[in-house]
Amino acid sequence: KNEVEQSPQNLTAQEGEFITINCSYSVGISALHWLQQHPGGGIVSLFMLSSGKKKHGRLIATINIQEKHSSLHITASHPRDSAVYICAVFNNNDMRFGAGTRLTVKP
Amino acid sequence: DTGVSQNPRHKITKRGQNVTFRCDPISEHNRLYWYRQTLGQGPEFLTYFQNEAQLEKSRLLSDRFSAERPKGSFSTLEIQRTEQGDSAMYLCASRPTGAQGYTFGSGTRLTVV
Repeated sequence: KNEVEQSPQNLTAQEGEFITINCSYSVGISALHWLQQHPGGGIVSLFMLSSGKKKHGRLIATINIQEKHSSLHITASHPRDSAVYICAVFNNNDMRFGAGTRLTVKP
Repeated sequence: DTGVSQNPRHKITKRGQNVTFRCDPISEHNRLYWYRQTLGQGPEFLTYFQNEAQLEKSRLLSDRFSAERPKGSFSTLEIQRTEQGDSAMYLCASRPTGAQGYTFGSGTRLTVV
């Protein structure tokens, strides 16, 4: 079993829909990251969380430390949100990554 | 400083050839990481440096792989006698010691034919 599990693996939505991507982890962490990876390969950091909730534009990330679970929400989704979203947990000196959720938003 | 830079962006090589990738981190970041990402998977840790010292290597890093960061600035990752299974995206990331936020490069996509 991976230390970081994401669901769903693939997600297709219509433009405007509300989207939720989930992440569960099994190790102790000091921070959790949500990352966005576009087809060219580059990774962009969206959020770093250690508790509670953060919001940036149409993106909202929440974390429940007791349940070892985090969610990434996208409101009013748009085709430009199409990407792979990766959950990663930071522990001691390193990050461990989930396999990613491939999101496709259709116009 | 424009972030973490990786070169080349793409590399196609014949099986058995040696390849070398370069990563230029953000200048004040003393930690540098190499990851490998295969299709449909998240990045997997390969190795990391604090300044010029290589502090940890994954079991994924076989004897054919070697990484250096000779002056504590840029780093190189060399793969000798490449195999088809080495085909992947090789990602570099950097961060300052004590910070939890990483900055990633755009990656080098290796295809071994």
